Amino acid sequence: GNSVTQMEGPVTLSEEAFLTINCTYTATGYPSLFWYVQYPGEGLQLLLKATKADDKGSNKGFEATYRKETTSFHLEKGSVQVSDSAVYFCALTRSSGGYNKLIFGAGTRLAVHP
Amino acid sequence: GAGVSQSPRYKVAKRGQDVALRCDPISGHVSLFWYQQALGQGPEFLTYFQNEAQLDKSGLPSDRFFAERPEGSVSTLKIQRTQQEDSAVYLCASSPSPGQSGNTIYFGEGSWLTVV
Repeated sequence: GNSVTQMEGPVTLSEEAFLTINCTYTATGYPSLFWYVQYPGEGLQLLLKATKADDKGSNKGFEATYRKETTSFHLEKGSVQVSDSAVYFCALTRSSGGYNKLIFGAGTRLAVHP
Repeated sequence: GAGVSQSPRYKVAKRGQDVALRCDPISGHVSLFWYQQALGQGPEFLTYFQNEAQLDKSGLPSDRFFAERPEGSVSTLKIQRTQQEDSAVYLCASSPSPGQSGNTIYFGEGSWLTVV
């Protein structure tokens, strides 16, 4: 079946440090891949997405590249800020039965300190 | 409104009580999803509507859970005889059209249910 595995948190970094959150997936066919972010007390927000192999999604300084050969979609940011503290969810969708359904990883909490 | 709206935001229910959670999707969105998010976990799929038709209810954990979307817009998730294990955040999400796997799915802020 389809599933997403992401690195366990919490990830604790100092401001301006480099961030990587690993995400790997298992899926039949060609899923689309997403990163969602959940800030404290808020709902899930789409951060970025990629719909086919070798696509790079980017937003707000974050980026992730869809690697079919390693079934990965690792999230990176060159210089994190305190305001990036949140929980990050990797997810995939596939069209099946005429609709797409998001399947999420367990989430990785990021804490950035000044 | 501009986004997916859910109510109530917070609900405390006594064990055995029935609860109803409401979702107003983004206007015109065909697809509507309900997810359950336990503390410290990722969201888990519950059910999917395409307009008023419930096409997938494979994630509903028991027959105490029931969802409807009678006119293809507002949806209600009902939980009967609540149990402590039902304590979670219930997320509603909508998407403009069902077919493309790359379509963005937009989430509401969730309804936080605590069963005591």
